[in-house]
Amino acid sequence: DAKTTQPNSMESNEEEPVHLPCNHSTISGTDYIHWYRQLPSQGPEYVIHGLTSNVNNRMASLAIAEDRKSSTLILHRATLRDAAVYYCILRDAWDQGAQKLVFGQGTRLTINP
Amino acid sequence: NAGVTQTPKFQVLKTGQSMTLQCAQDMNHEYMSWYRQDPGMGLRLIHYSVGAGITDQGEVPNGYNVSRSTTEDFPLRLLSAAPSQTSVYFCASKSDAYNEQFFGPGTRLTVL
Repeated sequence: DAKTTQPNSMESNEEEPVHLPCNHSTISGTDYIHWYRQLPSQGPEYVIHGLTSNVNNRMASLAIAEDRKSSTLILHRATLRDAAVYYCILRDAWDQGAQKLVFGQGTRLTINP
Repeated sequence: NAGVTQTPKFQVLKTGQSMTLQCAQDMNHEYMSWYRQDPGMGLRLIHYSVGAGITDQGEVPNGYNVSRSTTEDFPLRLLSAAPSQTSVYFCASKSDAYNEQFFGPGTRLTVL
């Protein structure tokens, strides 16, 4: 699996936008970019995923660089409930048997009131 | 839907004891997985299943067995618990290879 690199931690203020970066310079053409987050003492939850185009859903937006070597998860208006560890993960679309989500260390996001 | 459920929430074992962690999902998902998460680390895949009767090893399978006799259930068996298996265990399911995974709340296991 191609590797991703994220900052260990980030801090932001409540009601402000948050941009969480992820580098994946060895991404292949069939790798989807997935984001999950893990709130304290809970299992991970899906946030968003994309291939080439930017994606929006009710939780967040995903901005993918034109060369796909990096992406940014955008939380438009952070709340205290968004404090979590955010994981950027690559999944090969052609590997149908692949169950593996390779979780790195992720970015620990702290939201200040 | 209850989603993915796991029992027990907490368990303490002595070295050498065996036990089964239960996982069930009511979403009719074909794919199910077991992960472990050690303190301060990401999740690592233990075993997975792509459908009833089919299981395969993940990256850290040693010391664990699984079976998948029904679509709904995917139990994880610890054959002879060791302190190195102290961890939080998460079960997950998804409908196919491409979609999002749904995770259970986890089982916190301590082996003394």
